Amino acid sequence: GDSVTQTEGQVTVSESKSLIINCTYSATSIGYPNLFWYVRYPGEGLQLLLKVITAGQKGSSRGFEATYNKEATSFHLQKASVQESDSAVYYCALTPTGGYKVVFGSGTRLLVSP
Amino acid sequence: NSKVIQTPRYLVKGQGQKAKMRCIPEKGHPVVFWYQQNKNNEFKFLINFQNQEVLQQIDMTEKRFSAECPSNSPCSLEIQSSEAGDSALYLCASSLRGTNERLFFGHGTKLSVL
Repeated sequence: GDSVTQTEGQVTVSESKSLIINCTYSATSIGYPNLFWYVRYPGEGLQLLLKVITAGQKGSSRGFEATYNKEATSFHLQKASVQESDSAVYYCALTPTGGYKVVFGSGTRLLVSP
Repeated sequence: NSKVIQTPRYLVKGQGQKAKMRCIPEKGHPVVFWYQQNKNNEFKFLINFQNQEVLQQIDMTEKRFSAECPSNSPCSLEIQSSEAGDSALYLCASSLRGTNERLFFGHGTKLSVL
């Protein structure tokens, strides 16, 4: 079945440094899946950070970027300079073509130290 | 900000007891999802609805789980006879047109089965 893999359970980055959170996916249905990053800030509900539905395209929001790489089946999340307020749990997710449900990765907790 | 309302925020039950949680989706959203998120942050899709119709659901062969989304009433998820393994965060999400659109999540109901 479809799956999303986030290899890092937690990442610690110093403020103003760059960030990359890894995400790879496997989609068994015909066609390319839609890819998403969701984020849960402390005390808040899960919310969409960005999405990309076309292979090869880049999505961006709040200084974060992710590129849909269909050859590598990856959708890594990057930010050039993190802030303390970026501390949260980030979830990579996909929806298969024509599918009815969203498949989530297990999340990566980002801690930004001052 | 999401306006998906989930109640209660916390639910404590003894083994064998019934557990019921409710969700009011964002206004105008006909598609509703239920997910179970375990202590390892893994998401498990349970069921989704479009209006009152079930679109897809896991094989609830145990028959302990049931869900509905009646018109003009909150959606609900019920566990007939709670087990320790049911302890998790239950997330409700809604969307305007299904999985290709962003999902709006509630804060979740944290179920603890003692």
